[in-house]
Amino acid sequence: DGGITQSPKYLFRKEGQNVTLSCEQNLNHDAMYWYRQDPGQGLRLIYYSQIVNDFQKGDIAEGYSVSREKKESFPLTVTSAQKNPTAFYLCASSIGPGGPREQYFGPGTRLTVT
Amino acid sequence: GDSVTQMEGPVTLSEEAFLTINCTYTATGYPSLFWYVQYPGEGLQLLLKATKADDKGSNKGFEATYRKETTSFHLEKGSVQVSDSAVYFCALSDLRTSGSRLTFGEGTQLTVNP
Repeated sequence: DGGITQSPKYLFRKEGQNVTLSCEQNLNHDAMYWYRQDPGQGLRLIYYSQIVNDFQKGDIAEGYSVSREKKESFPLTVTSAQKNPTAFYLCASSIGPGGPREQYFGPGTRLTVT
Repeated sequence: GDSVTQMEGPVTLSEEAFLTINCTYTATGYPSLFWYVQYPGEGLQLLLKATKADDKGSNKGFEATYRKETTSFHLEKGSVQVSDSAVYFCALSDLRTSGSRLTFGEGTQLTVNP
């Protein structure tokens, strides 16, 4: 089945440690996205990538970093510089420039930093 | 810039009641409009979409019509079920101003009681 996988579902880290969240898709989509969701709130865009080896900052990129070395993978690193990293992180993908604009989401990773 | 405003929640209904969740938008171009649904602890699922004025999107008994004159995309369902309990997000994509990015509303929590 085609889809987006995120792992792990739950992640626990100590303050001051960097942590990398995985996102893989087998939909052959060009564009991928990372969002952050806090309780009772909407989604905020962290980073997005429209093509391999290229990515842009979203609305809340500070304290995060990404890479896009392969079409199917878009890992997100939450660095120790992120002041409030505990949140639910969602990865999404879409066909890409020129295609339908809807995004498809993974199941999410809940990160808790103590 | 682009924005999406959803009716404030939470919304609580009895099974078989009629549902309306209001959504209005601000965009400078000709956006595509979407409704997504999020069940507890999961990612977002695309519920329906409309890409031009007067289009009606429909899926699983839910409907929404793209009204350019009122800049609205209200979600409706004639008879809700307990299984419809979830958070509903309205979103838009405006190629002219934000490329493939989606702009989300804050989400509306729906609870359906038996």
